[in-house]
Amino acid sequence: DTEVTQTPKHLVMGMTNKKSLKCEQHMGHRAMYWYKQKAKKPPELMFVYSYEKLSINESVPSRFSPECPNSSLLNLHLHALQPEDSALYLCASSPSLAITDTQYFGPGTRLTVL
Amino acid sequence: AQSVSQHNHHVILSEAASLELGCNYSYGGTVNLFWYVQYPGQHLQLLLKYFSGDPLVKGIKGFEAEFIKSKFSFNLRKPSVQWSDTAEYFCAVNKAAGNKLTFGGGTRVLVKP
Repeated sequence: DTEVTQTPKHLVMGMTNKKSLKCEQHMGHRAMYWYKQKAKKPPELMFVYSYEKLSINESVPSRFSPECPNSSLLNLHLHALQPEDSALYLCASSPSLAITDTQYFGPGTRLTVL
Repeated sequence: AQSVSQHNHHVILSEAASLELGCNYSYGGTVNLFWYVQYPGQHLQLLLKYFSGDPLVKGIKGFEAEFIKSKFSFNLRKPSVQWSDTAEYFCAVNKAAGNKLTFGGGTRVLVKP
């Protein structure tokens, strides 16, 4: 099973809302990632978790708050977002942070901020 | 600045034509190189990857890529495309600690039946 699942598939939220994105994998991977992909642009790394601890934060605004409650689950909590945060949010996982490890991507959550 | 460049933003070709997509990177030293594909409405999937050894790498669905270190290039090829190869193709480089992938801008390929 090489599947990374993400819920919800689509999310529309207002600028004052609080919402969460969920990512799950059951491949036993110990590294998980959040990427942001704007329309017609490549994915850009936001956060990296390794063994449930935040390893990399690519200077992401605090209105995005990641959480890794266990080795299979990765959340992204959203609060007070701006319309320019509308994008496809991709989750990925890999066996570890070794640079030879392949990252497996989920289908993404398409977020619209009104 | 370190970057990954894909020079072709859009490619349109007919079925059975050959495909070559360019990818250049500006990192020095040892790099790991990837090609990912994103079919319409689907998630990013790995086509192939290069870490070391034979610079000609074969991937899934008949794709191959050649790593030319002197040219900082990792071009993707397919001898004969099918309509189902219509997708966006991303080159990516992994150099830094933490398995940080940096993607090129992507190339949208449209294969006309």
